[in-house]
Amino acid sequence: RKEVEQDPGPFNVPEGATVAFNCTYSNSASQSFFWYRQDCRKEPKLLMSVYSSGNEDGRFTAQLNRASQYISLLIRDSKLSDSATYLCVVIFSGNTPLVFGKGTRLSVIA
Amino acid sequence: DTGVSQDPRHKITKRGQNVTFRCDPISEHNRLYWYRQTLGQGPEFLTYFQNEAQLEKSRLLSDRFSAERPKGSFSTLEIQRTEQGDSAMYLCASSVVGVEQYFGPGTRLTVT
Repeated sequence: RKEVEQDPGPFNVPEGATVAFNCTYSNSASQSFFWYRQDCRKEPKLLMSVYSSGNEDGRFTAQLNRASQYISLLIRDSKLSDSATYLCVVIFSGNTPLVFGKGTRLSVIA
Repeated sequence: DTGVSQDPRHKITKRGQNVTFRCDPISEHNRLYWYRQTLGQGPEFLTYFQNEAQLEKSRLLSDRFSAERPKGSFSTLEIQRTEQGDSAMYLCASSVVGVEQYFGPGTRLTVT
């Protein structure tokens, strides 16, 4: 079964805080991993891909732990504009579509 | 705008009516996907096309749902005899094989 699990939150954090989200997936043979961001009543947009070696993009760091079957997203120095739902996404095999978690809601408060 | 477009953006219909949605992908993208999203959930896969061929359909896609991509460009998703449980956001995405999927703004369906 192809499942992606996330804590739905909400995470309410002050500006400038560091916040981390985790996500677990059901199939150890999963191939590709992503974090998408979705603003209220908008479409999902790719935030970053997640590589085995981990990757960083500005204030955002994504990591993959294949042995424990989880991925994480770390946001440093949170901004008000980071408030959104963060969707964990897995491709379980090469030709299958994206499988989304339910999303984690983040609210950054002034 | 060269992104994915969807039409209409909102649709209100009465139970039992048929509805059809259209998606225009990014022009050079050969893959086109349909997803459905309800409140508090992530998008759920419905079906996808590579060019004009429909390669996979989810078990979520009941017999009342049909999708086409006749010339490998735009796609339509039709729901026959709509039910209240069909109320959702219907998202279309497109991609080149093996590359990021880009989503359209979605069609929000409300069945009364």
